[in-house]
Amino acid sequence: EAGVTQSPRYAVLQEGQAVSFWCDPISGHDTLYWYQQPRDQGPQLLVYFRDEAVIDNSQLPSDRFSAVRPKGTNSTLKIQSAKQGDTATYLCASSDSANTEVFFGKGTRLTVV
Amino acid sequence: GEQVEQRPPHLSVREGDSAFITCTYTDPNSYYFFWYKQEPGASLQLLMKVFSSTEINEGQGFTVLLNKKDKRLSLNLTAAHPGDSAAYFCAVSYSGYNKLTFGKGTVLLVSP
Repeated sequence: EAGVTQSPRYAVLQEGQAVSFWCDPISGHDTLYWYQQPRDQGPQLLVYFRDEAVIDNSQLPSDRFSAVRPKGTNSTLKIQSAKQGDTATYLCASSDSANTEVFFGKGTRLTVV
Repeated sequence: GEQVEQRPPHLSVREGDSAFITCTYTDPNSYYFFWYKQEPGASLQLLMKVFSSTEINEGQGFTVLLNKKDKRLSLNLTAAHPGDSAAYFCAVSYSGYNKLTFGKGTVLLVSP
């Protein structure tokens, strides 16, 4: 069974540029999470979906970050006008409706210079 | 909101020694506790999930202790080996896997 797939694996941007991250969760998983993991820190939840609905985006910097999951399967996280402080690894994770375990992707490592 | 403090940030032990990592949390309503292992370039891998009803949980080569009175979660790797070298993260939640609050992590190095 394929795990959670993320692309790209790496991204390097200049400040002010935009970037999108893509996530393909495990087939059949209705819940999808995006986490931000700054260097030498633990992951911090940004937003999570159940099917196509946003359940909690309270930690998503709404002025520059957006996340969608239009068909309840794949998801895209977008950063408009990136800042150096956005440098981090962005992790996608998914779980099924029984919520027995959450599976993480390998992440996208973003560097903003 | 919930805050989780994890210690130590770095830990270096010799092969065969124990490695002890501790997390303290603030929300007394937290009910679910997790330990994850992250090897370089790899996904977070769940080591163990613990519910607040059980204080001692044993896995393969490690023990997880939960002290609800002190709000402390510990991971003890017994007889560590070089393959255990990785970053370890604790996570806490009051609602299952939703809204996990992670510690900052411990980078463990096990030398031969």
